[in-house]
Amino acid sequence: EAGVAQSPRYKIIEKRQSVAFWCNPISGHATLYWYQQILGQGPKLLIQFQNNGVVDDSQLPKDRFSAERLKGVDSTLKIQPAKLEDSAVYLCASSFRDRGFAGELFFGEGSRLTVL
Amino acid sequence: TQLLEQSPQFLSIQEGENLTVYCNSSSVFSSLQWYRQEPGEGPVLLVTVVTGGEVKKLKRLTFQFGDARKDSSLHITAAQPGDTGLYLCAGVNTNAGKSTFGDGTTLTVKP
Repeated sequence: EAGVAQSPRYKIIEKRQSVAFWCNPISGHATLYWYQQILGQGPKLLIQFQNNGVVDDSQLPKDRFSAERLKGVDSTLKIQPAKLEDSAVYLCASSFRDRGFAGELFFGEGSRLTVL
Repeated sequence: TQLLEQSPQFLSIQEGENLTVYCNSSSVFSSLQWYRQEPGEGPVLLVTVVTGGEVKKLKRLTFQFGDARKDSSLHITAAQPGDTGLYLCAGVNTNAGKSTFGDGTTLTVKP
């Protein structure tokens, strides 16, 4: 079974530039999460999708971050414009459980963003 | 906001030693998960504990969930270099269907 796929693995940009990350979850997983992991910290939830609908985006800085999951499968996370403090690893995770039980989260390898 | 505190933040030991790391919260969770993360990779689930007082064993790893379902511990017996990594606990909110992570314990086991 293929795991969660993310790209790119690494990205270096200047502040105020834009960047997009892509995630393809495990086939059949209805729930998709984007987490931000700053060096030395645990993952922090940015947004949670159930199929193609947003369940929770309360921690997403909506003035600069956006995310979509148009067909309920793969997802894109965009940052525009980027700030220095956005330097982090962006982890995508998926779960086969329906809303109501988190179950096991399957993570991708992450996309490491460096903002200069 | 539900917060999870993990301790110690860093732990460096010699191969063969035993260790315990802790995960504490002021909130009650439906269940608690432990993940292990290696450099350059995403976290991988080790165990989920659900019932207060529950103890689960996974080879040399023993996981305990507190009676009040607010705290947990992970004990490793005879640590090996392959145990090196970041150990994360995550509190599960069943109603919301999401997990809240602590900041982890970075474990280094020296040969």
